[in-house]
Amino acid sequence: EVQLVESGGGLVQPGGSLRLSCAASGFTFSTYAMHWVRQASGKGLECVAAINNRGDDTYHGDSVKGRFTISRDNFKNTLYLEMGSLRAEDTAVYYCARERDGDFDYWGQGTLVTVSS
Amino acid sequence: DIVMTQSPDSLAVSLGERATINCKSSQSVLYSPNNKNYLGWYQQKPGQPPKLLIYWASTRKSGVPDRFSGSGSGTDFTLTISSLQAEDVAVYYCQQYYNTPRTFGQGTRLEIK
Repeated sequence: EVQLVESGGGLVQPGGSLRLSCAASGFTFSTYAMHWVRQASGKGLECVAAINNRGDDTYHGDSVKGRFTISRDNFKNTLYLEMGSLRAEDTAVYYCARERDGDFDYWGQGTLVTVSS
Repeated sequence: DIVMTQSPDSLAVSLGERATINCKSSQSVLYSPNNKNYLGWYQQKPGQPPKLLIYWASTRKSGVPDRFSGSGSGTDFTLTISSLQAEDVAVYYCQQYYNTPRTFGQGTRLEIK
């Protein structure tokens, strides 16, 4: 059974940092591209970062470029999102998602990041 | 970035009736060499992550009830629920995966009338 389990969310002050993790199981992690998608309360879905299966090609959305970094460890079957210089507008549930042929066929349950003083 | 626009923003349909949600992309998501539309539909219930329903614009994911169907090509797409059930109350999103970033429509909230 495919499972994606996010962790690392929490309350952080503006300007602070967090590292999110997504532990993958039930599939060959190293053969799939992965994404971080966020959703502010009551809002839509925004892809903030993506990484190919080998980890040598990444994408970061304009809203997070220079502040967030996506990475992966294919030996630990884990996806990461390093988040820095956090702002109130980064407050959201952050999901990791597996990319199949472009679509996102499995999602984690999400981890809540709250940026507030 | 490709902009995805859904209509309507919200929809109320009686149980057993048909529900139709539209999605328009700012540029074609049809890849001519394989004649596939890089378009998916997702369902999100409260407190849950999105769930993939339809991919390649019209292919149902395994386990998705056959009352859900997708259609369209190029820039205009439709998700149809042929006979609305109570468990279909959710927000529905279209997504293009023709290029990066993958972008979603703003969502359509479906309720029971």
